[in-house]
Amino acid sequence: DVKVTQSSRYLVKRTGEKVFLECVQDMDHENMFWYRQDPGLGLRLIYFSYDVKMKEKGDIPEGYSVSREKKERFSLILESASTNQTSMYLCASRPARDRPNYGYTFGSGTRLTVV
Amino acid sequence: AQKVTQAQTEISVVEKEDVTLDCVYETRDTTYYLFWYKQPPSGELVFLIRRNSFDEQNEISGRYSWNFQKSTSSFNFTITASQVVDSAVYFCALGSNFGNEKLTFGTGTRLTIIP
Repeated sequence: DVKVTQSSRYLVKRTGEKVFLECVQDMDHENMFWYRQDPGLGLRLIYFSYDVKMKEKGDIPEGYSVSREKKERFSLILESASTNQTSMYLCASRPARDRPNYGYTFGSGTRLTVV
Repeated sequence: AQKVTQAQTEISVVEKEDVTLDCVYETRDTTYYLFWYKQPPSGELVFLIRRNSFDEQNEISGRYSWNFQKSTSSFNFTITASQVVDSAVYFCALGSNFGNEKLTFGTGTRLTIIP
């Protein structure tokens, strides 16, 4: 069964801390994505990567950075956590080329609380 | 710019009733993809369906059916004979065939099936 694994289900961090959210996929997918989910706003794209060491900004990249040193791992970094970054973070992956009726695969999410 | 609108924030129906979740999208692309995802309380987004813009055939999968109409830019989702296990947040999403392959999500519809 294909899998996207996010290392933590729940995290509580203090304002100003540097936070790492890890995501690993075992499907050999080229594309990986970080979204955040907030009530009433749906899912918004933070960053994505279409290859190792490649990254592109999504719709709300401010306050975040990413790292993709290996194909299977995509890390989201909060350089200095703030309370407005309290949210559910979802990682997703997909292959580079479309396959019939194939969709993105999502992880279970990391609920981050910044206090 | 791409946009997905799910006007229904919350819906409650009694078990065994039929329910339709609305999705309206905006895009300038001539080729695009539409998705529906289910997010149960566990948090992980579960892929339900993907449709290509050049295929307007409606689709049925068990109790689920989808109605895609390019003329009204809508991709509605109907659950027939609803069950308690259908209770979840449902997201409609739009993807481009070009460039970064990211998805644009709607704000979601929370569906509650009352036993």
